[in-house]
This record gives sequence, C-alpha cells and structure tokens, in this order.
Amino acid sequence: GAVVSQHPSRVICKSGTSVKIECRSLDFQATTMFWYRQFPKQSLMLMATSNEGSKATYEQGVEKDKFLINHASLTLSTLTVTSAHPEDSSFYICSATPTTGVGQPQHFGDGTRLSIL
Amino acid sequence: GQQLNQSPQSMFIQEGEDVSMNCTSSSIFNTWLWYKQDPGEGPVLLIALYKAGELTSNGRLTAQFGITRKDSFLNISASIPSDVGIYFCAGRQDSGGGADGLTFGKGTHLIIQP
Repeated sequence: GAVVSQHPSRVICKSGTSVKIECRSLDFQATTMFWYRQFPKQSLMLMATSNEGSKATYEQGVEKDKFLINHASLTLSTLTVTSAHPEDSSFYICSATPTTGVGQPQHFGDGTRLSIL
Repeated sequence: GQQLNQSPQSMFIQEGEDVSMNCTSSSIFNTWLWYKQDPGEGPVLLIALYKAGELTSNGRLTAQFGITRKDSFLNISASIPSDVGIYFCAGRQDSGGGADGLTFGKGTHLIIQP
C-alpha cells in the first residue's frame, strides 16, 4: 500500500520550455503533498507544500511564480517549472501523506530527472 | 533553514559487518524517519519513529528516537550486498496540527566490499 506515482520519470528540453510534473497517490487520498528538489550528490530539500483546494506554501527562497503548484484533487498534485533554465536541472521528487491517521509517514514517488539544455 | 547533521558521510565495510549511522539536530523533531535511496529513485521508508526513546526494528534494521528528540540512530546488522545505497535521516516537527514537510540529513553512502 501507500504507493505514489510520479510522471514523467525523465524530461530533457530546451531552455525556456515549461515542464509539468505529476504526482499521484494511487491507493490513498492525500490532502497534503510535498515537492522536493535534489541536486547531484546532495540531500532532498523541501520546496513547497501542496494543499488540496488551496494555495501551496513555499519554502524560503523558492519562487512561487517559477514553480507553479496545483493540487486539484485528493490524489493529484502537479508542479510546473515555468520557463526552465539550465540551473533548474535537478531531480524533483514528490511525497504524500495519507489523509487518514495522525502522523503518517511520507511516501515518495520515484522522482523526475529534469535536464534543461 | 534547519539542518540535520548526519554521519558518517560514507562507509566502506565488509559484507557481514554491522553498520551504525546517526543524525543530530539543534532543533526538536517530533517524528524521525529513516529512508534508503537507490540511484535514480525516490527514497523508500525504512523505519518511522514517533516517540522519544522509542526503539524500533525492521528485520536487520534497528533505529532509535533520542530521548531529547534531537537525535536518532540507525543500525544495520550483518550487512548484505543489497544494503548498498544512500541512507537518509529525516525529521518532522508535527507542530500546529498540519502536515509538515521533512528536513533531511545529508545522507550516508554505504558501500560494501566483497
């Protein structure tokens, strides 16, 4: 149980392109999902918290107009990297916590490798 | 932002040896989690700790939630080749009743020599 699916797994595109990444909880509902970014040989850094039906909350230093988050249903959150540039190249990973039950651990998707040429 | 100090950064061990790694923080966390990440994949949850002083096992893995809520350790007994990977500790504050994101340590890269 507690499977999180992320799509696509890899994107290679030109500078200036906008890229959308989907995160789905397959067997549970998630009021809250999280987006992380991981640069090579580094740890995961929380970018934003995605809340179903309301605005996402962003960590300090993360541009909300650059990284658009939409959480339109209890099983889907999307992250759109707008006008991506080479410095946005990274491994983007989402996670979700089941709505039911207090203090449930977060389950992660398999990540999206974004490469901007 | 907050950071977790995870050590060691890397470990080179022989198959069959026991492994120990730990995380410390200057802040209190009310949940500690340990994940393993293989190359090109997302982290996979190994053990979740919810109570200060809690000691939890998952097969050959044992983790403890420090009594001060500022540290945790993970032990792996009798290591096998498939234990190779990067292990991350993560803390969650669980404050305010809402779901909180995780703060991760920098990872421990476990390498097993045949």
